[in-house]
Amino acid sequence: KAGVTQTPRYLIKTRGQQVTLSCSPISGHRSVSWYQQTPGQGLQFLFEYFSETQRNKGNFPGRFSGRQFSNSRSEMNVSTLELGDSALYLCASGTSGRWDTQYFGPGTRLTVL
Amino acid sequence: GENVEQHPSTLSVQEGDSAVIKCTYSDSASNYFPWYKQELGKRPQLIIDIRSNVGEKKDQRIAVTLNKTAKHFSLHITETQPEDSAVYFCAATGFQKLVFGTGTRLLVSP
Repeated sequence: KAGVTQTPRYLIKTRGQQVTLSCSPISGHRSVSWYQQTPGQGLQFLFEYFSETQRNKGNFPGRFSGRQFSNSRSEMNVSTLELGDSALYLCASGTSGRWDTQYFGPGTRLTVL
Repeated sequence: GENVEQHPSTLSVQEGDSAVIKCTYSDSASNYFPWYKQELGKRPQLIIDIRSNVGEKKDQRIAVTLNKTAKHFSLHITETQPEDSAVYFCAATGFQKLVFGTGTRLLVSP
């Protein structure tokens, strides 16, 4: 099976802009979670989607949003970008159970100038 | 909410030595504890996981132990090799989401 894929892999934006990141889970996986990884804060949970519904959400401002499509692909959007949003954004997919094994994508490196 | 503490933050060992990384968690309801290895510039890769109904699990040179009473779990790597050098993250389920430790940078010197 193909692994989790994320596009784009690299992105450079300026403050105030918005960005959309995409994640395609492993075929058959219905759960997609998003994480922000920074050197200072480690891996921080953003949100999780399952069957097009947000099932859980981390402690991030409303500028961070996401959605999941009927084919399980997921997108996350960050509006009004801030310098502190520069990070590696990782998505992970799982099958269906609560906290079964999660497999990570390669990530999208977002740089905000 | 769930809080996961991981120690040490860095660990240097000689090739062939053993390495132990420890994590503690706060939510007694947590029931799933995976460990991920992340090499520089790469995605986190699951290396082993354990569920709360098991006390220990082994996979070749890697083992994980879980003490539910004390709320801590540990990763043990025996006969370390240079290719084991990476950042290792522990995680625990907490209120329906996976909470990660801050990572341990393991350096294995030849």
